[in-house]
Amino acid sequence: GEDVEQSLFLSVREGDSSVINCTYTDSSSTYLYWYKQEPGAGLQLLTYIFSNMDMKQDQRLTVLLNKKDKHLSLRIADTQTGDSAIYFCAESILSTDKLIFGTGTRLQVFP
Amino acid sequence: KAGVTQTPRYLIKTRGQQVTLSCSPISGHRSVSWYQQTPGQGLQFLFEYFSETQRNKGNFPGRFSGRQFSNSRSEMNVSTLELGDSALYLCASSAEQGFETQYFGPGTRLLVL
Repeated sequence: GEDVEQSLFLSVREGDSSVINCTYTDSSSTYLYWYKQEPGAGLQLLTYIFSNMDMKQDQRLTVLLNKKDKHLSLRIADTQTGDSAIYFCAESILSTDKLIFGTGTRLQVFP
Repeated sequence: KAGVTQTPRYLIKTRGQQVTLSCSPISGHRSVSWYQQTPGQGLQFLFEYFSETQRNKGNFPGRFSGRQFSNSRSEMNVSTLELGDSALYLCASSAEQGFETQYFGPGTRLLVL
């Protein structure tokens, strides 16, 4: 079935690294995505990784994919207060051509 | 280039009424997708339109419908509103089929009383 799970909350100190985790069940996913949603706003695509890759780095963001364990993570280096938001992982399912979102992780950054 | 715009931004309706939400994609984008976001169910895919044709549909009842016009603008309609339809409805557009170039609008927040 199609299911994407995330932990609900993460709290970090400004300047530390944040790691947001995501697990998915469908092995036919093609791409995996990370989105950011700030209060009162829509979703902003942060980065994505093709399912045959292990890692992708984009400035402060590092995505790690463990396809065997169906585990995806987003690492934010030097986390800032402006990074406080809800982060969603999502997978695109090859068989249905749909985008399945995780439950979202609320990241709170404190000074 | 202007982003995805959605109107109205906020809406209050009562049970049994119907509602129409509008989405204007980024200029040149031909694909429009709709999502429902609620605290209980999270983000769920409603449907996707590409070149005026519904290309994909999520698991929602027939009360939820949509269409796309020749200028790629899209409307979503919900008939016989229920309390559980209260949600943030997000629209996203992309240049071609696929999610890598998908941009989201700010959403329409619907409250059903």
